[in-house]
Amino acid sequence: DVKVTQSSRYLVKRTGEKVFLECVQDMDHENMFWYRQDPGLGLRLIYFSYDVKMKEKGDIPEGYSVSREKKERFSLILESASTNQTSMYLCASSGTSVTYEQYFGPGTRLTVT
Amino acid sequence: GQQVMQIPQYQHVQEGEDFTTYCNSSTTLSNIQWYKQRPGGHPVFLIQLVKSGEVKKQKRLTFQFGEAKKNSSLHITATQTTDVGTYFCAGPSGGSYIPTFGRGTSLIVHP
Repeated sequence: DVKVTQSSRYLVKRTGEKVFLECVQDMDHENMFWYRQDPGLGLRLIYFSYDVKMKEKGDIPEGYSVSREKKERFSLILESASTNQTSMYLCASSGTSVTYEQYFGPGTRLTVT
Repeated sequence: GQQVMQIPQYQHVQEGEDFTTYCNSSTTLSNIQWYKQRPGGHPVFLIQLVKSGEVKKQKRLTFQFGEAKKNSSLHITATQTTDVGTYFCAGPSGGSYIPTFGRGTSLIVHP
């Protein structure tokens, strides 16, 4: 059974802290995605990776960076957390083509105070 | 920005009524995907449509892809409380090959 896991379900951080969100998939997928989900705004793509060490900016990359050192792991980094980054963060992966179905992790609800 | 528009944002129905959500793009989509997110859960893939005019059914759910491949719809017949959730469409648009998600339609079913 396919599985995407995220390091935390809930996280509370202070303004200015550096925050790491980790995502691991066990399906040997090439593509991995980070989204944030806010009420009424749906899923907005932050960053996308199509291979190890490769990344592309999504629609809202400002304030975020990513790292993909291993195929199964994709990390989202908030260099200096701000209150407007309080959100639900969802990781997803998909197979050979980005047009393939995406498998989502359970999400991390991040609160920045 | 998001170039896949989805309506309505919310839909309240009585159990047993039908429900439809619509997805529209200003550009041609190579394919369209539909996902369902239960309250408190994460999006789960339902189906992908690729061909112009394609219609696919999954039990009470009917998915259509427009002839011009610029719009799609999801229709649920005789809704049940288990259908509650947010339905998202996603498709690569605006020259990108990466799927863009619509804002979703939240279905509320009243027993």
